[in-house]
Amino acid sequence: GAVVSQHPSRVICKSGTSVKIECRSLDFQATTMFWYRQFPKQSLMLMATSNEGSKATYEQGVEKDKFLINHASLTLSTLTVTSAHPEDSSFYICSAARGYTGELFFGEGSRLTVL
Amino acid sequence: GENVEQHPSTLSVQEGDSAVIKCTYSDSASNYFPWYKQELGKRPQLIIDIRSNVGEKKDQRIAVTLNKTAKHFSLHITETQPEDSAVYFCAASIAGNQFYFGTGTSLTVIP
Repeated sequence: GAVVSQHPSRVICKSGTSVKIECRSLDFQATTMFWYRQFPKQSLMLMATSNEGSKATYEQGVEKDKFLINHASLTLSTLTVTSAHPEDSSFYICSAARGYTGELFFGEGSRLTVL
Repeated sequence: GENVEQHPSTLSVQEGDSAVIKCTYSDSASNYFPWYKQELGKRPQLIIDIRSNVGEKKDQRIAVTLNKTAKHFSLHITETQPEDSAVYFCAASIAGNQFYFGTGTSLTVIP
């Protein structure tokens, strides 16, 4: 199947710093990528839809200025958590839709811990 | 946006028995319904999907049914095995533009 790579898998940072998470589709071009947040034993909460070359579409309740999303190429989308606080600690997962099928493929996820 | 509900939240079955997980969705424009299996600490993996022009799809021990009129779809796992134990998520999508997930079902298969 298609491969989506996410990096870093784990990151620990101090409160107030910014953290960037990368999501790459390795063997297909992804015009659309999605970012999810997952709390322990809970579902995947869609944060935003990232479209190549345009601004991301954020879900209601997700702060655009805190969670900056950039989709500069057909194979790379980044999520930057700005001025991170302990409540931002979570598991963040990206996914990419393969255009001709609409199938969704997930990255490995990034566990963010803000001290 | 789309609202996807999933039941039950937890499910325990004896090995060899069947397991059924049900989801409902709200947006009649949704036309793609994948199911994902997520093992602890790992990424969700697609196990089966169905599109709105099909009522049922089967892949070995796994099957999915879709009722567009009632806006619900179900995952059926037959002859369950311990390795089927995981969290299962349903999702609904409009042409792959956005994906909304159900709340997940933690399945435990008891040997």
